[in-house]
Amino acid sequence: GAGVSQSPSNKVTEKGKDVELRCDPISGHTALYWYRQSLGQGLEFLIYFQGNSAPDKSGLPSDRFSAERTGGSVSTLTIQRTQQEDSAVYLCASGAGQGYGYTFGSGTRLTVV
Amino acid sequence: AQRVTQPEKLLSVFKGAPVELKCNYSYSGSPELFWYVQYSRQRLQLLLRHISRESIKGFTADLNKGETSFHLKKPFAQEEDSAMYYCALSNTGFQKLVFGTGTRLLVSP
Repeated sequence: GAGVSQSPSNKVTEKGKDVELRCDPISGHTALYWYRQSLGQGLEFLIYFQGNSAPDKSGLPSDRFSAERTGGSVSTLTIQRTQQEDSAVYLCASGAGQGYGYTFGSGTRLTVV
Repeated sequence: AQRVTQPEKLLSVFKGAPVELKCNYSYSGSPELFWYVQYSRQRLQLLLRHISRESIKGFTADLNKGETSFHLKKPFAQEEDSAMYYCALSNTGFQKLVFGTGTRLLVSP
């Protein structure tokens, strides 16, 4: 596609439920990031995929969070047993290579009630 | 460890006034620096990257390695510049793009 696509755009879930967030990166982009944007907290790095290398998971806040990237393209971020503090906008970005910056999706707004 | 500091949460100026959004970084290697902007109800988008030394929408940013700064400047602010601005840093291996907490720029008529 022309840009990074994320779905759903909004998700309201009950505390304790699992959620899956999807990211379709720009075709051909080898790098893919997940970030979390909370009010007043800026952008928090979650996980980074680069080609076939092992992902950098150092930003995942707990073992309830996991992500995978299938076939070097689509990525899914899964949050198990959601908590209220997981409420945020989850952003995906993909990139073509060094120095070019990243293209961001419009995000998924997750609200845990 | 990589770190980006944007000391101002909010910067409010009048139209036509000069603008400087501050960004300081901490990184031991050779960094790649970026400015991203997020306009109201729009997605985050790349504004500037230091390696291109370009001017976008009248904004410029110079990497000062001595002061470890990458401040964003515009000589005459416009109302349409009102947005959230994020400074970001990556290492030369282009991994883990680290963002500052952002500065909201408000340009009043």
